[in-house]
Amino acid sequence: DVKVTQSSRYLVKRTGEKVFLECVQDMDHENMFWYRQDPGLGLRLIYFSYDVKMKEKGDIPEGYSVSREKKERFSLILESASTNQTSMYLCASSSTGGRSGNTIYFGEGSWLTVV
Amino acid sequence: GNSVTQMEGPVTLSEEAFLTINCTYTATGYPSLFWYVQYPGEGLQLLLKATKADDKGSNKGFEATYRKETTSFHLEKGSVQVSDSAVYFCALSRFNQAGTALIFGKGTTLSVSS
Repeated sequence: DVKVTQSSRYLVKRTGEKVFLECVQDMDHENMFWYRQDPGLGLRLIYFSYDVKMKEKGDIPEGYSVSREKKERFSLILESASTNQTSMYLCASSSTGGRSGNTIYFGEGSWLTVV
Repeated sequence: GNSVTQMEGPVTLSEEAFLTINCTYTATGYPSLFWYVQYPGEGLQLLLKATKADDKGSNKGFEATYRKETTSFHLEKGSVQVSDSAVYFCALSRFNQAGTALIFGKGTTLSVSS
């Protein structure tokens, strides 16, 4: 069965801390994504990666960075957490074959609260 | 740029009622269109998709038809159940040379009562 696993479901961090959100997929997918979900705003793309060590900015990359050292793992990094980064973070993955109709699979999400 | 607009919720229905959630899009080229569902406390799951004009996606009694002339992909179900209570997201694919990501609407909350 398809599996995207996010390491932490719930985190509470202090302002200014460096935060790592980890995501692992077991489907050998080339593409991986990080979205954040906020009430009334839907899902917004932060970063995505289409290959190991490759990354591309999404719509709201400011304040975030990512790392993809292995194909199955995609990490989201908040260099200095701020309260406006309190949100639900969703990791996702998909394969490349086929131009645009491939299903994107999501993890269960990580709820981050910055205090 | 590409965008998705879906009806605002919440949508409140009684069991066995007919459901329509409207979704319209703006896009260049020929995107694929998707409906995702998010049950309470969970991540998003693909509900159905359509990859070209006039395609109909269907799953679990839900249907949506890709209408290029009206740039719409409305979600319908003939008889909803309490277990359909969830947040529904319409999305389109955004393809560039680096890969494919999805652009999502803001989501519509559906609440079904018995």
